[in-house]
Amino acid sequence: GDSVTQMEGPVTLSEEAFLTINCTYTATGYPSLFWYVQYPGEGLQLLLKATKADDKGSNKGFEATYRKETTSFHLEKGSVQVSDSAVYFCALFNDYKLSFGAGTTVTVRA
Amino acid sequence: GAGVSQTPSNKVTEKGKYVELRCDPISGHTALYWYRQSLGQGPEFLIYFQGTGAADDSGLPNDRFFAVRPEGSVSTLKIQRTERGDSAVYLCASSLTGSYNEQFFGPGTRLTVL
Repeated sequence: GDSVTQMEGPVTLSEEAFLTINCTYTATGYPSLFWYVQYPGEGLQLLLKATKADDKGSNKGFEATYRKETTSFHLEKGSVQVSDSAVYFCALFNDYKLSFGAGTTVTVRA
Repeated sequence: GAGVSQTPSNKVTEKGKYVELRCDPISGHTALYWYRQSLGQGPEFLIYFQGTGAADDSGLPNDRFFAVRPEGSVSTLKIQRTERGDSAVYLCASSLTGSYNEQFFGPGTRLTVL
């Protein structure tokens, strides 16, 4: 079945540091790929998405590129802020449902 | 427009009891999903409705779990004879259609089985 593996946390960074969260997937067919974010006390929100190979999703300074050859969708941000502290989930959409990774907790210190 | 709402936000019950969790999707969204999120894990798919019918219930863990969506809007997830292992956050999501569309998530119901 479909599965998503993402970098284990927690990750602690200083403000303005570079953030990378690795994500790889296993799926049949041609899934769409997502990053969701869960801020403290809030529900899951879509951060960015990519629907086909080589697509780059971007939002709020975050980027991720759909790499079919390496089955990866790594999340990056060049300069994090304290407000980026959250849990980040990589997910794929296939057969009408989302499959999520376990989540990576990111804490950004001022 | 209101987002997806779920009630109750918290539910504490005793082992063996019956519980119902409610989801109000975004108006006009035909697809509705239930997921379960255990502590420290990502959400896991339970069931997907397209309109009134369950199009895919392959994620329901056993026959103690059941969900309905009788009028194609509000959905209820029902759990019989609850067990401590059922403790989790139950998330509902809706999307415009069942094909590729962004799923909008509710805040979840935290179920604790004592």
